[in-house]
Formats: sequence, C-alpha cells, structure tokens
Amino acid sequence: GQNIDQPTEMTATEGAIVQINCTYQTSGFNGLFWYQQHAGEAPTFLSYNVLDGLEEKGRFSSFLSRSKGYSYLLLKELQMKDSASYLCAVNRYGGATNKLIFGTGTLLAVQP
Amino acid sequence: DAEITQSPRHKITETGRQVTLACHQTWNHNNMFWYRQDLGHGLRLIHYSYGVQDTNKGEVSDGYSVSRSNTEDLPLTLESAASSQTSVYFCASSESTLTLEQYFGPGTRLTVT
Repeated sequence: GQNIDQPTEMTATEGAIVQINCTYQTSGFNGLFWYQQHAGEAPTFLSYNVLDGLEEKGRFSSFLSRSKGYSYLLLKELQMKDSASYLCAVNRYGGATNKLIFGTGTLLAVQP
Repeated sequence: DAEITQSPRHKITETGRQVTLACHQTWNHNNMFWYRQDLGHGLRLIHYSYGVQDTNKGEVSDGYSVSRSNTEDLPLTLESAASSQTSVYFCASSESTLTLEQYFGPGTRLTVT
C-alpha cells in the first residue's frame, strides 16, 4: 500500500525557522514534491526532490532521505505570508504511468 | 501568458442532476488531472489523461467521468450528483510525465444539496 504522514498543524513565530516533516511508505517511489496552498487558493509548486540530500531555494529548503522514507521542508526567516498549508506529495511510478499521491497537508500559522 | 482556468468557480446543484466542470489550459500540456480536496483527506485523484483520447481512473473515480477530445480541455462530469460529492475540485496539468510538476487551476467549489 501507500501512506504519507505529515503533522496536521504547526505554529511558528515571524522571523523564526520551522521544519515540516513528511514520512512516506510507497512502492515505485520516483521523487517527492512540496506544494504551498493558501486558504481558498490553488496549490503552487515549491520543490521537487528525487535524489537524497538538501535542495535550497531562497528561504525554502527541502530534504529527502529515500532509505528512511523521509522528507522535510525548511522555512527560514518566516513571514506572515508564509501562513498556509504545505502539501507533501509522492511521485509514484506504477506500470506505464506516474501519479502524485498527496498527504493531507500541514497547516502552518505564523504569529507576530 | 499561458494559464489553466476552471469554470464555474462556484456551483450549487441538486442531488441527481448531471454536472460538468470545465478545465482549460493553454500550455499545450499533454497531461491533465482532476482532484477533489476535502478536509482530512487532502487532494485525491479522480481521473487523469496523458493525451488526446486517453483517460484513466484515479483512486476516487466512482460517479465521475472525463473525456479528452483535444489537448486544451478535460471536462469532468458528475453523472448523477450526490451529497458526498460536495467538495472543492482542482484541475491540474503537467508537461513532463516523468517529473510530473503540476500546475493547478483556481478550483471549483461544488455544493450538492
């Protein structure tokens, strides 16, 4: 089967650093995505990891360990506009097709 | 600019009616997807298409159908709407089948009464 786990909610302070974890169990793993979704809006792409290690993109970084089935999204210098849901999604290869399997999302609240 | 649009943005319908949600993208992407998003479930795949005349069932396809007659459009039809289909529906498209970075439309909020 397949399972993706991430915390339901997190709270952090403006200017701080927060790490959002995602663990997964799936066959046919072919990479992991992080998406950001503000309330009432569409998800938008943040990062994609297919190899182990850390990918840095400005204030956001994403890490992947394939052997541990683990990823995290690191947000630095938090801003109020970072309050949103963060979705972890596994790219799963099955037969001739690839599909994204989404976790339920982590709702991050950034407080002043 | 290329984009992906959905219509209507909001829809209220009655149980048993047929409803079609439109999705249109101008990126010329071959791959298109329909998801529903519900509290506690995240995004769940309904149907997807990897090209014209190609359609495939996702994990929650019962009660839904799609057709792909051109590259730009993938309409989603609820054959006989049920209250359990009240949800927010997102359409997405991607250029690459391998990496599957998907671009999402703005969503349609559907209420079935």
